[in-house]
Amino acid sequence: DAGVTQSPTHLIKTRGQQVTLRCSPISGHKSVSWYQQVLGQGPQFIFQYYEKEERGRGNFPDRFSARQFPNYSSELNVNALLLGDSALYLCASSKTSRSTDEQFFGPGTRLTVL
Amino acid sequence: TQLLEQSPQFLSIQEGENLTVYCNSSSVFSSLQWYRQEPGEGPVLLVTVVTGGEVKKLKRLTFQFGDARKDSSLHITAAQTGDTGLYLCVDRGGTGANNLFFGTGTRLTVIP
Repeated sequence: DAGVTQSPTHLIKTRGQQVTLRCSPISGHKSVSWYQQVLGQGPQFIFQYYEKEERGRGNFPDRFSARQFPNYSSELNVNALLLGDSALYLCASSKTSRSTDEQFFGPGTRLTVL
Repeated sequence: TQLLEQSPQFLSIQEGENLTVYCNSSSVFSSLQWYRQEPGEGPVLLVTVVTGGEVKKLKRLTFQFGDARKDSSLHITAAQTGDTGLYLCVDRGGTGANNLFFGTGTRLTVIP
């Protein structure tokens, strides 16, 4: 079975631009979470979506937004990019939004902002 | 705001050596998880511990949860090059929330 897939794998943008990252969960999983991992640090929670509804939001500015589609795939959008947005963006899927459900991570999208 | 500190930050050892890495929280864990992240990949769950004082073993890895549920250690016996990676301790969200709170990580390199 396919794991969590993310696209693109790498992306280079300039300050002020907008970016859209995509995630496809494991088949049968209805929850998707997004994390930002800055170089040298652990991942930081951005959003969780379950059944197309936002279930949780981390401490990120409004420039960050996300949505989940009927097929449970998800997009993360970041507007007005800053140099500090350079990071590995990880998507994780789980069967439901319960805290006891294991989250499975994709390989991430490496975003570089110049 | 919870602080999850891991030590050491970096560790480089020879194959066959033993090692221990630590995780300390400023507040009680809801439940504790350890993940390993290899270069170019997402984190992979190694273990979940819930009860204070709990010890779990996974082949050559031994995970210990402190009695007060505010600290944990991961011990690796006879390290192998395949153990190389970033080890992350995590507080799994309580109150039904499924957001993971990650520590700062220990980057382990096992030299052949």
